[in-house]
Amino acid sequence: EVQLLESGGGLVQPGGSLRLSCAASGFIFSNYIMTWVRQAPGKGLEWVSDINGGGTAPSYADSVKGRLTISRDNSKNTLYLQMNSLRAEDTALYYCAKGPLSGTGIGDLDYWGQGTLVTVSS
Amino acid sequence: QAGLTQPPSVSKGLRQTATLTCTGNSNNVGNQGAAWLQQRQGHPPKLLSYRNDDRPSGISERLSASRSGNTASLTITGLQPEDEADYYCSAWDSSLSAWVFGGGTKLTVL
Repeated sequence: EVQLLESGGGLVQPGGSLRLSCAASGFIFSNYIMTWVRQAPGKGLEWVSDINGGGTAPSYADSVKGRLTISRDNSKNTLYLQMNSLRAEDTALYYCAKGPLSGTGIGDLDYWGQGTLVTVSS
Repeated sequence: QAGLTQPPSVSKGLRQTATLTCTGNSNNVGNQGAAWLQQRQGHPPKLLSYRNDDRPSGISERLSASRSGNTASLTITGLQPEDEADYYCSAWDSSLSAWVFGGGTKLTVL
């Protein structure tokens, strides 16, 4: 059974930093693109970032480029999101999602974690 | 990043049929299709249909997805109270090199 468990969210002041983690199990982690998607309170889904299976090709939404950094540790089956220079508009529930098979583009965002809440406020 | 277009809300009666739409362009929906996700209140999104319109294992046969040009559709027959949720479409945009989502449709079962 595929499981994704996010952690690391919390309350942080504007300009502050947080590191989110997503522990994965139930599939061959290194074979898949992994993705962060966020959802602001009462709003829709917004793609944030993804990374290929080898961890060598990260991609970012324009809204977070230069402030958020995605990475993965395939030996620990864990995905990370380092969040720096946080703004009020980054306040959201952050989901990690299992993406397509790396190197093929085949597949979708087919499994989602429960999310971890990030609140940026003074 | 530009998103996909979905109607904000759809209301249908019990046991009726609802068709939800999602409009994109030739770089996303028109290229590789759209996947459909269901999100019930307080829960994470759940995949209902892949971009190739196939259903994942365990998804009800009352749901079917299709595509015509740049518009994808999700049809739910025999509506039940548990179908009441927010529905999102998602697609890979080859021009943006990014996943794009629709704004979501709130389905109300009367």
